[in-house]
Amino acid sequence: QVQLVQSGAEVKKPGASVKVSCKTSGYTFTGYHMHWVRQAPGQGLEWMGWINPNSGGTYYAQKFQGRVTMTRDTSIAIIYMELSRLESDDTAVYFCGRESLPAARPFDSWGQGTLVTVSS
Amino acid sequence: DIQMTQSPASLSASVGDRVTITCRASQNIDTDLNWYQQLPGRAPKVLVYASYVLQSGVPSRFSGSGSGTDFTLTISSLQPEDFATYYCEQTYNTPRAFGPGTKVN
Repeated sequence: QVQLVQSGAEVKKPGASVKVSCKTSGYTFTGYHMHWVRQAPGQGLEWMGWINPNSGGTYYAQKFQGRVTMTRDTSIAIIYMELSRLESDDTAVYFCGRESLPAARPFDSWGQGTLVTVSS
Repeated sequence: DIQMTQSPASLSASVGDRVTITCRASQNIDTDLNWYQQLPGRAPKVLVYASYVLQSGVPSRFSGSGSGTDFTLTISSLQPEDFATYYCEQTYNTPRAFGPGTKVN
């Protein structure tokens, strides 16, 4: 079955960078776009961007452009999201999600989430 | 960018109640609208996609409708496991966008 397993919680200081991983299994890695979505404490869901695991092509939400980098390693079926110049407002749970193929392309599988805490 | 709104922001309901949540897009999105349920401390789970298509394994008490700018998620008879937060999401344009959520208490 499809599984997305994310790396563990991180605590970072303001100005630092964080890199979160999402290990995939149970399906053809290069066949599905992967997205990152974050959720600040007590808040809603915020879409960050996507990566095409086949080509490595990416699209980032304007809010994160210049600070976020999404990459993949096809040999081990893992995607990564690196966020730089962290601020306290970046404290959130970060989810990876698989974009499925039917109409409206919903996220049919999600990672368990990775809590990133930014604190001095 | 397309903006999504939801109403109400929260609602109180009892087991067995019929619950309706509304989602509105700032412009036409045809039927490119998904609904997710999120339990506390968990990742979201897709319930309905393309406005009205029930995701495999989702109970039939959930249903979606709408097209264009106005959409509805209905729970025909609320069950204890349905107390959660519900989000709509548009995928008509990039960037994708979620609504602010509706908490069912």
